Amino acid sequence: AQSVTQLGSHVSVSEGALVLLRCNYSSSVPPYLFWYVQYPNQGLQLLLKYTTGATLVKGINGFEAEFKKSETSFHLTKPSAHMSDAAEYFCAVSPRGYSTLTFGKGTMLLVSP
Amino acid sequence: GAGVSQTPSNKVTEKGKYVELRCDPISGHTALYWYRQSLGQGPEFLIYFQGTGAADDSGLPNDRFFAVRPEGSVSTLKIQRTERGDSAVYLCASSSGTGDYEQYFGPGTRLTVT
Repeated sequence: AQSVTQLGSHVSVSEGALVLLRCNYSSSVPPYLFWYVQYPNQGLQLLLKYTTGATLVKGINGFEAEFKKSETSFHLTKPSAHMSDAAEYFCAVSPRGYSTLTFGKGTMLLVSP
Repeated sequence: GAGVSQTPSNKVTEKGKYVELRCDPISGHTALYWYRQSLGQGPEFLIYFQGTGAADDSGLPNDRFFAVRPEGSVSTLKIQRTERGDSAVYLCASSSGTGDYEQYFGPGTRLTVT
């Protein structure tokens, strides 16, 4: 069975600082990888995904993530945090060729002025 | 275009009662998913439809939970004899089913069992 670990239930950064949210997965075969963002009282929105090809993936709102097979990781980064980035972020995986998602527990990003 | 919609947005029910939660997917999307998100947790998969049929219902926790999608569009998640542990946000998502693997989520239904 696949699993996803997100290190840190809460991450605090200052506006303008680097954002780094960590995600590691457990799978015998590299899965498809996703990052979703959830704003209060809203549905999940896809930030970016990795399925095949280039391992550095760029998404919306200036976020990017890099798939590292040797480290079984898919960490999310953004060079400069904005106040509007404050939200909960979920890493998710799905087996190749299959679409149901397994989510991590989420990381709440707090951005201070 | 219209996104995934879910009704009601909030539902409060008494223990032991029956509830139905509705999901309207994006028009033309053949795949539909139900997830449950408990407080402080990530969403957990419940059931996946491809068209009218349940392709995978391995996430349904027990036989009190049932879901249908009779015409391949709207889906209803049904919970019998609700328990306090069923309290959660129930999320619905849809996708085109053509292999881009992107799921579009609705805002969820918050179910509270008292």
